Amino acid sequence: RKEVEQDPGPFNVPEGATVAFNCTYSNSASQSFFWYRQDCRKEPKLLMSVYSSGNEDGRFTAQLNRASQYISLLIRDSKLSDSATYLCAVKDTNAGKSTFGDGTTLTVKP
Amino acid sequence: EPEVTQTPSHQVTQMGQEVILRCVPISNHLYFYWYRQILGQKVEFLVSFYNNEISEKSEIFDDQFSVERPDGSNFTLKIRSTKLEDSAMYFCASSEASPQYFGPGTRLTVL
Repeated sequence: RKEVEQDPGPFNVPEGATVAFNCTYSNSASQSFFWYRQDCRKEPKLLMSVYSSGNEDGRFTAQLNRASQYISLLIRDSKLSDSATYLCAVKDTNAGKSTFGDGTTLTVKP
Repeated sequence: EPEVTQTPSHQVTQMGQEVILRCVPISNHLYFYWYRQILGQKVEFLVSFYNNEISEKSEIFDDQFSVERPDGSNFTLKIRSTKLEDSAMYFCASSEASPQYFGPGTRLTVL
């Protein structure tokens, strides 16, 4: 089983749509969870940390379910500029390495 | 906003040659990392560095790789004898603890 597994995608959605990505992780002791955005041939850019209580940043909402070992990212009112690959990252310790999923590619179309 | 910087942006080398990839982490960060991403594949951890020593390394980080913090600002990754399969994007990252912030990467092409 992969340490971090994401929806394979790709997701092709029209502008204005709501889209959700899921990610599961294998280590129940994992401590920190993140969503990154990666544009083609660029570096991962931190989108948001994911907290147990769930958190929201504008159109983006992240949820963590420790019991089921998954995290999710919801994007509301998709924009063309949201087109990118979304990476789930998990850390077993706060200062330790990040383990990334394969990424889920989103294309938002006019 | 402070950023991680990396040089060069692109490095082309012949198989068997040594390369040094350079990174300047965010100034108040204490934890430094190298990751690589082969084209079309996921981001993979190579090594983490704290308090002037390696804190963790992956199976990929074998004897051909080394890291160094030669002064108060730079963090380098040396690949001693490059192989074709070392061709990838190499990302440096730094953090205070969590989360990690990534540099723009160095694209390494081994011919």
